[in-house]
Amino acid sequence: SQQGEEDPQALSIQEGENATMNCSYKTSINNLQWYRQNSGRGLVHLILIRSNEREKHSGRLRVTLDTSKKSSSLLITASRAADTASYFCATDANAGGTSYGKLTFGQGTILTVHP
Amino acid sequence: GAGVSQSPRYKVAKRGQDVALRCDPISGHVSLFWYQQALGQGPEFLTYFQNEAQLDKSGLPSDRFFAERPEGSVSTLKIQRTQQEDSAVYLCASSRNLGDIPMNTEAFFGQGTRLTVV
Repeated sequence: SQQGEEDPQALSIQEGENATMNCSYKTSINNLQWYRQNSGRGLVHLILIRSNEREKHSGRLRVTLDTSKKSSSLLITASRAADTASYFCATDANAGGTSYGKLTFGQGTILTVHP
Repeated sequence: GAGVSQSPRYKVAKRGQDVALRCDPISGHVSLFWYQQALGQGPEFLTYFQNEAQLDKSGLPSDRFFAERPEGSVSTLKIQRTQQEDSAVYLCASSRNLGDIPMNTEAFFGQGTRLTVV
């Protein structure tokens, strides 16, 4: 079963605009990860944020994590047509302090960036 | 190798046929995962290997699904007597995670095998 929900389910923007996607989850976690998927390249890891971190940046990506609300957001700044893809959040649940990296994915957000 | 390799990329099976999907993880990665992704959904966990040991198979949907990793490297996911509901993309991932303790490491995914049961 899916861990949580992502919203919006679909997002359509113009090149140069920012895109924000949100993710909610249900259990306590070790970390939360964001992945991108398009038909040509499969699932590609974007960024990992640990449970004790609140914000992380990587290039044009900014991820926030609020463990009290069990939610995360992914911001893509200055979007490009090449950013068109599905974006998934995935959680590595904290099961009594142990973890082997099993991921539980959300349903994804379909992002379309128009040139 | 440079990444996780899966074969075949596409497989069409007649209902009732057995299929075998192969995964070559990144060399040296201890952890290997199989996920199933239905159309329009996120991937769902099937099973996990730490080296050759299958430590979690809680996500396998039925006893028709079987996975192995006999030498702790290449893994095979076998589906017996395929049904139409088995149609999905099957993703393999590997990571450096050693198990037991959280390592907060990313998983690297292969391109997947798209299985269509007709």
